[in-house]
Amino acid sequence: ETGVTQTPRHLVMGMTNKKSLKCEQHLGHNAMYWYKQSAKKPLELMFVYNFKEQTENNSVPSRFSPECPNSSHLFLHLHTLQPEDSALYLCASSQEDRTYEQYFGPGTRLTVT
Amino acid sequence: GENVEQHPSTLSVQEGDSAVIKCTYSDSASNYFPWYKQELGKRPQLIIDIRSNVGEKKDQRIAVTLNKTAKHFSLHITETQPEDSAVYFCAAELNAGNMLTFGGGTRLMVKP
Repeated sequence: ETGVTQTPRHLVMGMTNKKSLKCEQHLGHNAMYWYKQSAKKPLELMFVYNFKEQTENNSVPSRFSPECPNSSHLFLHLHTLQPEDSALYLCASSQEDRTYEQYFGPGTRLTVT
Repeated sequence: GENVEQHPSTLSVQEGDSAVIKCTYSDSASNYFPWYKQELGKRPQLIIDIRSNVGEKKDQRIAVTLNKTAKHFSLHITETQPEDSAVYFCAAELNAGNMLTFGGGTRLMVKP
């Protein structure tokens, strides 16, 4: 599959669960991003990875833990989430020197019960 | 940090009319201004972008203008069609940074 893929597409989890979101890009990019998209709010940047190194953590609570094992894969590990964390989580990728041209994945719709 | 404001939050136009969405940004060091279109239930997709050394850019029915002095940029869609209905996001990027700051989005509805 080409482009940016995300799994799962939908996830329902309880506040005590631990789960992980996965993102994979097939574009040869070297920068990857996690965004949170909530209703009636701007897209919120959460984390940025350049060449597998985290270069940005936008004051995200520690219950969200990113992992970037290589330039093609990005994970978001979730634990003890709150209902207000329910949102669409979007992964994106780009070339490190063309960050304005980001390609988004389809997102994971997360519901925390 | 950068702050991007986008207006209006919703816009309804008749098919064939023009639509204009405006954004302002706070950091004069921002250099790249992309626009993304997100159709219902789909991912955001880049539709056009402009650099700070250019005042206007056009691609068929869409155009973007940039006023660096006033720190605002706009998306213009002419001859709107129902398939233009979507949420549009503007964004600004600092040249030295690695982050896009997004506006709040505009829901455009084109009525046939």
